Amino acid sequence: DGGITQSPKYLFRKEGQNVTLSCEQNLNHDAMYWYRQDPGQGLRLIYYSQIVNDFQKGDIAEGYSVSREKKESFPLTVTSAQKNPTAFYLCASSHTGSNQPQHFGDGTRLSIL
Amino acid sequence: GQQLNQSPQSMFIQEGEDVSMNCTSSSIFNTWLWYKQEPGEGPVLLIALYKAGELTSNGRLTAQFGITRKDSFLNISASIPSDVGIYFCAILRLGGSEKLVFGKGTKLTVNP
Repeated sequence: DGGITQSPKYLFRKEGQNVTLSCEQNLNHDAMYWYRQDPGQGLRLIYYSQIVNDFQKGDIAEGYSVSREKKESFPLTVTSAQKNPTAFYLCASSHTGSNQPQHFGDGTRLSIL
Repeated sequence: GQQLNQSPQSMFIQEGEDVSMNCTSSSIFNTWLWYKQEPGEGPVLLIALYKAGELTSNGRLTAQFGITRKDSFLNISASIPSDVGIYFCAILRLGGSEKLVFGKGTKLTVNP
């Protein structure tokens, strides 16, 4: 079945540690996105990529990094510089072009030990 | 940046009741989207609206793109327990970058 797969479902980070969240899609979408969701909040854009080997900062990129080496994959690294990393992280993808809705994975919940 | 005002924040209703929620913006947009999110899962697209005045249905759900292009509403008729979740409106920012801006969500609870 086509879709977006995020892993792991739950992740724990120690102080000072970098962690990487995986996002893979088999929808043949060019564009991929990472969002952060906090309780009672809407989703906020961290990074996005519209084509392989290119990505742009979103609204809250500080403390995060990404890569886009393959069309299917858009991993997000939460670095030790992100002082408040506890959140629900959502990956999305879409076709490029006007008015293309985004489709989401099931998320990764990151917590601090 | 653009902000969306979504209301109400939460709703507690009885099974069988109709539900209405809405979003407003200070700017005009070309696309309004409505998503539903269940606990521990990602948002699922319910309805996409592309034209001012457009009224679109998806089963018991109906959404409209406001004529001013600054608002949208979502109605759910004859609610059932599986309608529970958080409903988000979202808009695509103008400029072709396909970046979504989300409202803060409406949390719906349906009592059997």
